[in-house]
Amino acid sequence: DAGVIQSPRHEVTEMGQEVTLRCKPISGHNSLFWYRQTMMRGLELLIYFNNNVPIDDSGMPEDRFSAKMPNASFSTLKIQPSEPRDSAVYFCASKPTGNTIYFGEGSWLTVV
Amino acid sequence: DQQVKQNSPSLSVQEGRISILNCDYTNSMFDYFLWYKKYPAEGPTFLISISSIKDKNEDGRFTVFLNKSAKHLSLHIVPSQPGDSAVYFCAASVYGGSNYKLTFGKGTLLTVNP
Repeated sequence: DAGVIQSPRHEVTEMGQEVTLRCKPISGHNSLFWYRQTMMRGLELLIYFNNNVPIDDSGMPEDRFSAKMPNASFSTLKIQPSEPRDSAVYFCASKPTGNTIYFGEGSWLTVV
Repeated sequence: DQQVKQNSPSLSVQEGRISILNCDYTNSMFDYFLWYKKYPAEGPTFLISISSIKDKNEDGRFTVFLNKSAKHLSLHIVPSQPGDSAVYFCAASVYGGSNYKLTFGKGTLLTVNP
């Protein structure tokens, strides 16, 4: 079975540019999460959706960050404009009914 | 305020010996605990979990112990193998209606030496 699929795997962009990260959750999972991993903060929850509806976006750092889930099989995390401090690994994860979430392989973002 | 703490950033053990990774939490509302394993350049993968109604869960070489009164859990790996070398994340969740939150510790890098 395909796991959570993220794209791009690696992105290098210049400060001020828009960045869009994409995620396809595991089919049948009804919850989707965006996490960010940095050395300083570890794994932080940015936002999570349940049945395509945003439930908790309290972890979204600033208005420059936005996330959408237009349907059950696709989500985006957008940063506009990007800044060097946004450099991190961004993980998408999904969850069926139950407690275990399943992560994608991550999108490595570098903003120069 | 860090609700899930892994106070040891790294741990080194000899192949065949026991690895013990520790985790402390502060939120008494947490009712389900998970351990994830992460290799470099990969996403975290689920390893083992435990509900707050239990104090032990075992799966092969991996055992998780939960001490609710101390708000402490630990992961035991016996015997440790070089392939176990990875970052281990402790996570805790609260399940309330449609609101589900999984909070992670910062991880412990385990190195198993041949």
